[in-house]
Amino acid sequence: NAGVTQTPKFQVLKTGQSMTLQCAQDMNHEYMSWYRQDPGMGLRLIHYSVGAGITDQGEVPNGYNVSRSTTEDFPLRLLSAAPSQTSVYFCASSRQDGGYTIYFGEGSWLTVV
Amino acid sequence: TQLLEQSPQFLSIQEGENLTVYCNSSSVFSSLQWYRQEPGEGPVLLVTVVTGGEVKKLKRLTFQFGDARKDSSLHITAAQPGDTGLYLCISGGSNYKLTFGKGTLLTVNP
Repeated sequence: NAGVTQTPKFQVLKTGQSMTLQCAQDMNHEYMSWYRQDPGMGLRLIHYSVGAGITDQGEVPNGYNVSRSTTEDFPLRLLSAAPSQTSVYFCASSRQDGGYTIYFGEGSWLTVV
Repeated sequence: TQLLEQSPQFLSIQEGENLTVYCNSSSVFSSLQWYRQEPGEGPVLLVTVVTGGEVKKLKRLTFQFGDARKDSSLHITAAQPGDTGLYLCISGGSNYKLTFGKGTLLTVNP
């Protein structure tokens, strides 16, 4: 049981480039989300999804797109990378049945130069 | 995403010492979870507390949920270098509304 799997682990981008962070979970969780973690800021919600075909914005959505075509996958797309998007990104999933356990991926370290 | 108040923000201690970290809010928690995040990894769940006054133990870690469900504490006895990491409290609510603390960064020196 892999849990939540994120790729890539590390990525360096040039300003203006686009890329996709992949996230997959094998626990059949309805809820998936993306966070960024910056020093002194804690975890901030970028986008989330409560099921396939349903996505919504979180606290810091600008510059990011998501889609949820299947229950398992929730990719995060950076449309035109900016240095301000240098951060550590975490994907997470949770059950829809009221369970509060959040399962996090191992993180993706992104540097935009 | 609202924040929970965690204190202290940083804590550096020697191996064998005891410590307590706190998680507080002005709002009542429906439940509260403690996570530990080691360098280069994602947060991993340690415990969930849901009942006011609840105490849970995980080896040398003791978690307490306040009677009014507005605060929680994590006490570590005889800390070891393996306890080093960022300790996060996260409160879950309905419709997946999560509230996060910024974390306590603990360093246990050998």
